[in-house]
Amino acid sequence: QQQVKQSPQSLIVQKGGISIINCAYENTAFDYFPWYQQFPGKGPALLIAIRPDVSEKKEGRFTISFNKSAKQFSLHIMDSQPGDSATYFCAARWSGAGSYQLTFGKGTKLSVIP
Amino acid sequence: GAVVSQHPSRVICKSGTSVKIECRSLDFQATTMFWYRQFPKQSLMLMATSNEGSKATYEQGVEKDKFLINHASLTLSTLTVTSAHPEDSSFYICSAREAGLAGYNEQFFGPGTRLTVL
Repeated sequence: QQQVKQSPQSLIVQKGGISIINCAYENTAFDYFPWYQQFPGKGPALLIAIRPDVSEKKEGRFTISFNKSAKQFSLHIMDSQPGDSATYFCAARWSGAGSYQLTFGKGTKLSVIP
Repeated sequence: GAVVSQHPSRVICKSGTSVKIECRSLDFQATTMFWYRQFPKQSLMLMATSNEGSKATYEQGVEKDKFLINHASLTLSTLTVTSAHPEDSSFYICSAREAGLAGYNEQFFGPGTRLTVL
């Protein structure tokens, strides 16, 4: 599986601030880019996802920005809240040959302080 | 949204015993189920992909004789850790992909099973 590089490893943001997490991928065959939120002791939950034919997708306070030429995508969390404190994983998927396997980044632990 | 359950949520066993973990899609049929392992403060590592009615495909480095996967129906997959040892202690997570859909349909993750081998 091709690697997905995620940064930063950890992030501390003041309440009300903007949290930004970045990911870069290598395989241009990837055709689906989801972000997952995981709380301690729980399974990951889909937060938002984007396809490579779209440069930006917004859902509530969460926005994905996608740069196909740079092979990068990022998650922006606006008006960050303490309840957003969790680990966030970016992922990429290639749907070719019916695989549908996800390749995950290493994760970013977000702490939102009051 | 689609719901995936796992049972048990946590299990503690003695070294050398076998442990079975169930993964169920509650409100949809899953053509494909995936099993992941996650060590503390690390990312999810794909162990195997299972398709209903066929043998699982294991990732490189995952022992298929140690981690037995059965996907007997469109709503149930099981992972059996045979002769478990302390190094198998981890958080095991399954995910399921809905049957009959092509394209960008999502994988839905279970809540995970914490395995502790003493």
